[in-house]
Amino acid sequence: DAKTTQPPSMDCAEGRAANLPCNHSTISGNEYVYWYRQIHSQGPQYIIHGLKNNETNEMASLIITEDRKSSTLILPHATLRDTAVYYCIVRAPANTGNQFYFGTGTSLTVIP
Amino acid sequence: EAGVVQSPRYKIIEKKQPVAFWCNPISGHNTLYWYLQNLGQGPELLIRYENEEAVDDSQLPKDRFSAERLKGVDSTLKIQPAELGDSAVYLCASSLQGLAGADTQYFGPGTRLTVL
Repeated sequence: DAKTTQPPSMDCAEGRAANLPCNHSTISGNEYVYWYRQIHSQGPQYIIHGLKNNETNEMASLIITEDRKSSTLILPHATLRDTAVYYCIVRAPANTGNQFYFGTGTSLTVIP
Repeated sequence: EAGVVQSPRYKIIEKKQPVAFWCNPISGHNTLYWYLQNLGQGPELLIRYENEEAVDDSQLPKDRFSAERLKGVDSTLKIQPAELGDSAVYLCASSLQGLAGADTQYFGPGTRLTVL
């Protein structure tokens, strides 16, 4: 699995958009980009995933560059409850047996 | 729909004692994972089951760790004997793995183990 590079920490003002970057320059053509987050003392929570196209759901938007070497997770209106560690993961399709590699993620702090 | 259930949530034991963690995955999910998470680090895979079969246990320290998923549903992870360095959070996750494509993993709340 390709590994990812994320900034160790970021701050965001409450109500503003939080843009979390992720570099995955060695990503392969069949590898998905996943985002999870982990709030203190809880298990990781699935946010969103994508392959090539940008994706949006009720929690966030995922923007993947055309060359797929990087992506950005966007939380459109950050709240205090969005304070968490955010993990960007790339993973080959399920039937290849590859595992999730979480890394150390980005610790996002939403400031009142 | 109920999420992944783990018990206990917290466990404190003395070193050299045995300990077991239990996981009930989301109904219908055929793939189950056990992860270890040390403080300040991301989760690391210990073992992955597809139904009853352990298909990836390369990261499981087999001298003291064991796991089972006898009926392809619930799973138990055991440590015997526990060492001080085993203090960590043990996470269980499950997914519905099809023939191809993405398989989203859903995590339980974890069991925080403290070995004294």
